[in-house]
Amino acid sequence: GAVVSQHPSRVICKSGTSVKIECRSLDFQATTMFWYRQFPKQSLMLMATSNEGSKATYEQGVEKDKFLINHASLTLSTLTVTSAHPEDSSFYICSGAGTANYEQYFGPGTRLTVT
Amino acid sequence: AQSVSQHNHHVILSEAASLELGCNYSYGGTVNLFWYVQYPGQHLQLLLKYFSGDPLVKGIKGFEAEFIKSKFSFNLRKPSVQWSDTAEYFCAVNPPFSGGYNKLIFGAGTRLAVHP
Repeated sequence: GAVVSQHPSRVICKSGTSVKIECRSLDFQATTMFWYRQFPKQSLMLMATSNEGSKATYEQGVEKDKFLINHASLTLSTLTVTSAHPEDSSFYICSGAGTANYEQYFGPGTRLTVT
Repeated sequence: AQSVSQHNHHVILSEAASLELGCNYSYGGTVNLFWYVQYPGQHLQLLLKYFSGDPLVKGIKGFEAEFIKSKFSFNLRKPSVQWSDTAEYFCAVNPPFSGGYNKLIFGAGTRLAVHP
C-alpha cells in the first residue's frame, strides 16, 4: 500500500518559536496533500488542502498566516507552525492522495508540544 | 451545519460478539463514504469505501458496511469481533462540491474495546 511518512514524530518547542513538520509520500505521487489536527480523544479536523505548486486552501477558522503550508513537489509538503503557543500543542497528521480514487493515505502523525 | 455523526463514542464487547457502528451524514447529493481504523499507536488505515454500485461493501479483516441512501447512513458491521479489533473507528465523507479535491470530513470516532 501507499506509504506516507512524517518528520519529526515528536517535537517540543518554546512559545514564540516556529516549527516545521514534513510530510512525504514515499512510493506514490501525491497530487493533493491534506493537513489535519487531532485533539486527544477527538476526531481529525481538516486544516487545509494543498495541491502541488499551488497555494493551500484553508478551512474556515484556520489561520493561514500561522499555519504555513508548502507543497513544492509531488512527494513533499511542509506545515510550519509560526510563533507557536501552548494552545497549538496537538497531534498533526498529514495525508496524501493520488489523482482519481479519492483515497487518502495517512502519515503516522507528529505530536507538537509548545512549552 | 453539515456534518458526519457517529453516535457510539465508546463500545465495549466480548470476543465473538457482533459489532455495528453507526454513521450518519447530512450532505445532500452524491457522496463518497469511508471507514478508517486507527489501532493504538498506529496511523489511520482504510477499512473500506463506497463510491457507487452495490450498497453493501466488504472491506478488510471481515468488516462490511451498508450504504442506505434514504437514511443517509453508512454503518459498519462485523459478525464476530476479535481482541485485535480493539481500535478507534472513524467514518468519513467526501462531500459533494469539494472543489475538485478529495476532501474528507471525519466523524468524531468510536473507540472499540474488545475483551477476551
